[in-house]
Amino acid sequence: NAGVTQTPKFQVLKTGQSMTLQCAQDMNHEYMSWYRQDPGMGLRLIHYSVGAGITDQGEVPNGYNVSRSTTEDFPLRLLSAAPSQTSVYFCASRRGTGSGNTEAFFGQGTRLTVV
Amino acid sequence: TQLLEQSPQFLSIQEGENLTVYCNSSSVFSSLQWYRQEPGEGPVLLVTVVTGGEVKKLKRLTFQFGDARKDSSLHITAAQPGDTGLYLCAVTSGTYKYIFGTGTRLKVLA
Repeated sequence: NAGVTQTPKFQVLKTGQSMTLQCAQDMNHEYMSWYRQDPGMGLRLIHYSVGAGITDQGEVPNGYNVSRSTTEDFPLRLLSAAPSQTSVYFCASRRGTGSGNTEAFFGQGTRLTVV
Repeated sequence: TQLLEQSPQFLSIQEGENLTVYCNSSSVFSSLQWYRQEPGEGPVLLVTVVTGGEVKKLKRLTFQFGDARKDSSLHITAAQPGDTGLYLCAVTSGTYKYIFGTGTRLKVLA
């Protein structure tokens, strides 16, 4: 069981470069989200999707784009990387929103450094 | 402003001690989840609480949902080094947003 797979695990970017963080899940979950984790800040929601073709902004969306063309994939794009985007990024998926469906399954994270 | 405030932010205790961490909000939630995250890994679900006043036990961990469903606590009895990690609470905000608290980083010393 693969669950949620994120690639790459580590990445170093120069300021101004662009890149895409990949996320794929094989659990047929409708809900997918991207979070960033900084020291002392817990997990902050960047963007989320409630199904293919439907995305919305979270708490800290600036500087990031997403799209959801299939149920399985939810890539996160950084168009012009900035040092403030240095963080650990987690992708998560959930089956639904009811109390029996809220468990979030996470990938192992992508550690991004922007220099 | 964080929707979910957790306290304390950091906690370092000796093996065998008891501890309680808190998750507080001014909003009412239909359910609340607790996760534990170990270094280099994503968070893993520990428990979901749904009913105001509900108490759930998971071995040495006791979770309580506040009567008004605005807050929750996690109590660990006789902490062990294996309990070391980042403890996060999480709720659904609005219809779809899934929000995490600020986290409590626990270190249990042998």
